[in-house]
Amino acid sequence: NAGVTQTPKFQVLKTGQSMTLQCAQDMNHNSMYWYRQDPGMGLRLIYYSASEGTTDKGEVPNGYNVSRLNKREFSLRLESAAPSQTSVYFCASGEQGAGQPQHFGDGTRLSIL
Amino acid sequence: AQSVTQLGSHVSVSEGALVLLRCNYSSSVPPYLFWYVQYPNQGLQLLLKYTTGATLVKGINGFEAEFKKSETSFHLTKPSAHMSDAAEYFCAVSEASGGYQKVTFGIGTKLQVIP
Repeated sequence: NAGVTQTPKFQVLKTGQSMTLQCAQDMNHNSMYWYRQDPGMGLRLIYYSASEGTTDKGEVPNGYNVSRLNKREFSLRLESAAPSQTSVYFCASGEQGAGQPQHFGDGTRLSIL
Repeated sequence: AQSVTQLGSHVSVSEGALVLLRCNYSSSVPPYLFWYVQYPNQGLQLLLKYTTGATLVKGINGFEAEFKKSETSFHLTKPSAHMSDAAEYFCAVSEASGGYQKVTFGIGTKLQVIP
């Protein structure tokens, strides 16, 4: 009963370091999403992937890149981390045409010093 | 452009009392509307959604919401609060945007249930 699995759960980086957040889903969903959650701001979409092989920018894509490795996996990369990217990151998945993300991972709490 | 306003960032109710979480939206086209719940250190879970048809929507855990077009509202209610309902609740709206449904989330309402 895994659903959406994110790794790591916690990470501390120094400014300028790079890292990749991993996400995998086992529900055979076509659509996958990356959000960031900041206090008082709700969730904001960073990137999404409507299907394997396609990715598109969301509201706040600057400083991030993504890869839809296959249908199951959707990774988020920070090439040069900045303190403004300190946040909780959520990966989500959903059926194509459902209209919204349906299942979320438990999040990655990222602090950048 | 679509937007969501959740009235009250914190709401406290007594156990057994009515839960009412308010959500108003703005959308240029007929919207899809959603409520999600987030427990501490977890991701969001979809509680319920409105797309078309019946305006009173029932969700999981005894929650329901009513779409009122004239009031541009989609308030979430539950007749009797349980301690396990303590969580953060997010209202969201979507409309077609390019090739996918762009979803806009509200800033959330934290529900406290007092024994």
